[in-house]
Amino acid sequence: GESVGLHLPTLSVQEGDNSIINCAYSNSASDYFIWYKQESGKGPQFIIDIRSNMDKRQGQRVTVLLNKTVKHLSLQIAATQPGDSAVYFCAEKKSSGDKLTFGTGTRLAVRP
Amino acid sequence: NAGVMQNPRHLVRRRGQEARLRCSPMKGHSHVYWYRQLPEEGLKFMVYLQKENIIDESGMPKERFSAEFPKEGPSILRIQQVVRGDSAAYFCASSRNKGGTEAFFGQGTRLTVV
Repeated sequence: GESVGLHLPTLSVQEGDNSIINCAYSNSASDYFIWYKQESGKGPQFIIDIRSNMDKRQGQRVTVLLNKTVKHLSLQIAATQPGDSAVYFCAEKKSSGDKLTFGTGTRLAVRP
Repeated sequence: NAGVMQNPRHLVRRRGQEARLRCSPMKGHSHVYWYRQLPEEGLKFMVYLQKENIIDESGMPKERFSAEFPKEGPSILRIQQVVRGDSAAYFCASSRNKGGTEAFFGQGTRLTVV
């Protein structure tokens, strides 16, 4: 069946360090993988996405890596800041469909 | 350009009452999605609508739940005869194009059934 899941429910990092949030997926038919950030009491905020035919995509302070061999997705945040504290969700989407399938989330806590 | 607007932000209903959740998509967006989120869990897809049409309601319970997106006005998610298990955060997202990955989410409506 389809599933998108996360390895680590909670990640604590020191301010200024790099953060790596991981996600495993099982549906090889997905065309897009997306990372969302959700702060307490707010809706998910789009961070970055990557197509299934790509291995890496970079944004501002964030990098998403896709390893299709092991069905693994990761989000790297450089120089983590207190404002990065949130729950991060990976999600997948088929180009032929429109709904997002979300994982359960990883909470990122940034220590001062 | 205002973002996706949801109201109310918080809604308390007694068991058996009706809940109406509203979502106004971003300007220029004609695709609306509703998701439900339980505490400490990811979002679960419920329904996808375009103006006046339900495109995909595969995630919506068959009983008591309905959704609409009229030609004029916001999209409405309606829950009849609410039960305690309906307590959750309900998020609406909108996108400009079919299949676009960048869906913008509203702040959600937190429904509490007492």
